[in-house]
Amino acid sequence: GEDVEQSLFLSVREGDSSVINCTYTDSSSTYLYWYKQEPGAGLQLLTYIFSNMDMKQDQRLTVLLNKKDKHLSLRIADTQTGDSAIYFCAETLSNSGNTPLVFGKGTRLSVIA
Amino acid sequence: GAVVSQHPSRVICKSGTSVKIECRSLDFQATTMFWYRQFPKQSLMLMATSNEGSKATYEQGVEKDKFLINHASLTLSTLTVTSAHPEDSSFYICSASWRYEQFFGPGTRLTVL
Repeated sequence: GEDVEQSLFLSVREGDSSVINCTYTDSSSTYLYWYKQEPGAGLQLLTYIFSNMDMKQDQRLTVLLNKKDKHLSLRIADTQTGDSAIYFCAETLSNSGNTPLVFGKGTRLSVIA
Repeated sequence: GAVVSQHPSRVICKSGTSVKIECRSLDFQATTMFWYRQFPKQSLMLMATSNEGSKATYEQGVEKDKFLINHASLTLSTLTVTSAHPEDSSFYICSASWRYEQFFGPGTRLTVL
């Protein structure tokens, strides 16, 4: 079955880069996503990457995909205190949008001023 | 981007009562909506897939008679927690599919006393 693994905690100093890692088991994954959840709130889609891509950059966010190792990472450059949140990695097997996402347990990012 | 709303955002009820949670896609039509449940400091667990005009598909272990899902239109799905008990207290999040993305509602915090 599908499984998505993440480290649970990450602590960085303000201004440094954060790298959040994720591994998945299903090589059929089509889209891989990163979501951000602030306390008591829903999920905010940060970015996604299609399985035929190796890298995607969007302002301070860089997503790297190693399909051979089934490893996905999210790099946040110049991390700010407002980046403190839980970050979820998720995958889906279909690009139709009608397939539910499989989530990792989330990585709690703490940014120290 | 596409917006999904949930109502109410927070509800407290007595044990034995029923609670209805609404999920609406505000600026797009969603043939498929998903209902997730999130326990404190845990990931999102898929409860059911809701398709407009047909019966919901429930995940294993989710009681369909307890968690009633109705998807009567392309912009509205409802989740009714029937005869709620304290163990049903949780954060319920819906999502709606549009193209290859899922957009999440802000969540509903249910507390059963």
